[in-house]
Amino acid sequence: GENVEQHPSTLSVQEGDSAVIKCTYSDSASNYFPWYKQELGKGPQLIIDIRSNVGEKKDQRIAVTLNKTAKHFSLHITETQPEDSAVYFCAASITGANNLFFGTGTRLTVIP
Amino acid sequence: EAGVAQSPRYKIIEKRQSVAFWCNPISGHATLYWYQQILGQGPKLLIQFQNNGVVDDSQLPKDRFSAERLKGVDSTLKIQPAKLEDSAVYLCASSLWADETQYFGPGTRLLVL
Repeated sequence: GENVEQHPSTLSVQEGDSAVIKCTYSDSASNYFPWYKQELGKGPQLIIDIRSNVGEKKDQRIAVTLNKTAKHFSLHITETQPEDSAVYFCAASITGANNLFFGTGTRLTVIP
Repeated sequence: EAGVAQSPRYKIIEKRQSVAFWCNPISGHATLYWYQQILGQGPKLLIQFQNNGVVDDSQLPKDRFSAERLKGVDSTLKIQPAKLEDSAVYLCASSLWADETQYFGPGTRLLVL
């Protein structure tokens, strides 16, 4: 099956700075790449996703980039705020949004 | 719109006991997923239903885990007998249809002693 690696495992940034989280995947057939935010005691919440026919997608302060050749994709959060503090997971799937393979997560801490 | 509901939120059992989790998906969502999330890891898919039929259960340990979605709405996931390594958060997710965005419930945290 698909193998997704995620880095870094922890990330601390000052409020207002940018944060970047990177993921690589193993199966070149993967075609769907969502990012989820998980707060303590809650289930993951989708924050942005991208499909393999698109190289970049942006939603306000959040953007995702995809490099299919290198098989990696990244999450960019600009102007970070304390409420951005959470664990972020990337995922990949070869069957659209069905069987998601998740990375190991990045704990983001935004320091006020 | 109500989200995915799960119960119980927490469960503590002894090894070799049985346990069941319940999930009520978002109204109208045909696809339902169960994931296992071990502490410090990302969720791992256990089983996917489309209405009341199983689409993918390749990662479900069928010797001890079972799941059903009899009327195509609610679903239950059962573990019998439980092992220490089953300690995890069990997440339920639903989507309007296959290949649509998955929405997760709050999960059930299981501790096996």
